[in-house]
Amino acid sequence: AQSVTQLGSHVSVSEGALVLLRCNYSSSVPPYLFWYVQYPNQGLQLLLKYTSAATLVKGINGFEAEFKKSETSFHLTKPSAHMSDAAEYFCAVSAAGAGTASKLTFGTGTRLQVTL
Amino acid sequence: DGGITQSPKYLFRKEGQNVTLSCEQNLNHDAMYWYRQDPGQGLRLIYYSQIVNDFQKGDIAEGYSVSREKKESFPLTVTSAQKNPTAFYLCASSPFTGPGYGYTFGSGTRLTVV
Repeated sequence: AQSVTQLGSHVSVSEGALVLLRCNYSSSVPPYLFWYVQYPNQGLQLLLKYTSAATLVKGINGFEAEFKKSETSFHLTKPSAHMSDAAEYFCAVSAAGAGTASKLTFGTGTRLQVTL
Repeated sequence: DGGITQSPKYLFRKEGQNVTLSCEQNLNHDAMYWYRQDPGQGLRLIYYSQIVNDFQKGDIAEGYSVSREKKESFPLTVTSAQKNPTAFYLCASSPFTGPGYGYTFGSGTRLTVV
């Protein structure tokens, strides 16, 4: 079984400040980890994913995340926040076997507010 | 371009009425999923299907039903047995290429009981 915990349901940053959204996972097998973003009244869009190729993963819109096995973490960062980054962010974990479809387990989400 | 289409975008249901939410994908994905989203509760899995004519209950299947007669289509029916159906419903799909693909999501249907 796998699970993810997102620390902080709401995070507020000033425009231009560092964005840090926290995600810790639990998995009995090597995990695949994902960050998705959701804008109001829309579906989820993939930001980036970790699939064991590299521990530092770069995604769209300037976001990146680092997989740290020792800390069971996959925190999402962006050096400088922009107003357009305001959205809800979901961390997810998958550990299905090959030849089957992904079955993701999602965190409860973190709403990012960006202020002037 | 390939993608997932959910319709309608907004849906209103009267008490005691069944309604069906549509989900169609042209990605040739094998698996399809339905999630319910409520504020502060993240995404909760209702049903999923990995092949045609087969589907499995998720964590909150009570009051919902699905069918998978075609690979491209996975409609969700919200029955009158679902006592609190007001929510945002998301459909997703993924291929049988292993766990590293993740999901492609539709744009959602917002259901409101009136």
